[in-house]
Amino acid sequence: DAGVIQSPRHEVTEMGQEVTLRCKPISGHDYLFWYRQTMMRGLELLIYFNNNVPIDDSGMPEDRFSAKMPNASFSTLKIQPSEPRDSAVYFCASSFAGTGLRQFFGPGTRLTVL
Amino acid sequence: AQKVTQAQTEISVVEKEDVTLDCVYETRDTTYYLFWYKQPPSGELVFLIRRNSFDEQNEISGRYSWNFQKSTSSFNFTITASQVVDSAVYFCARDLGSQGNLIFGKGTKLSVKP
Repeated sequence: DAGVIQSPRHEVTEMGQEVTLRCKPISGHDYLFWYRQTMMRGLELLIYFNNNVPIDDSGMPEDRFSAKMPNASFSTLKIQPSEPRDSAVYFCASSFAGTGLRQFFGPGTRLTVL
Repeated sequence: AQKVTQAQTEISVVEKEDVTLDCVYETRDTTYYLFWYKQPPSGELVFLIRRNSFDEQNEISGRYSWNFQKSTSSFNFTITASQVVDSAVYFCARDLGSQGNLIFGKGTKLSVKP
């Protein structure tokens, strides 16, 4: 079975540009999580969805960040406009009740904002 | 906030040594789950174990073992006869209730030298 799929794997952009990260969760999973990992702050939860509905977005840094989940098989995390401090690895993860809260992580997107 | 603390930022051992990674968590819940994940240099997050708070039995899986002590709110991870391939960052995590989200510790970077 395919795991969580993220695209792109690497993204290099210039400050001020819009960035869109994509995630396809494992089929049948009803929770989807977006994390950001940096050296300074470690692994931070940005937002998570249950059945396509955002449940907690308190981790989203600021209004420049937005996330959507239009259907059960797709989610996006958008940064507009991007800034150098947004440079990080962004992980998407999914789970469902049957996994006992175990989250399956995607390979991550390494974002570099110049 | 209910925290997960991994006091050891970095550990360096020589191959074949045993090493224990510490994890202490805070909780107000009677039922909760604890997790360990591994992040090798390639960057992906790999699930290692999930433990229910009702099950205080220690668990062993090959060279890996986990010691869950509810009285001290600790869930320590021991690697016996470490190998170079064990070099990675290890994260401890716990759930935040039925909502499905996890809170992660800052991670412990383990370096196993030949």
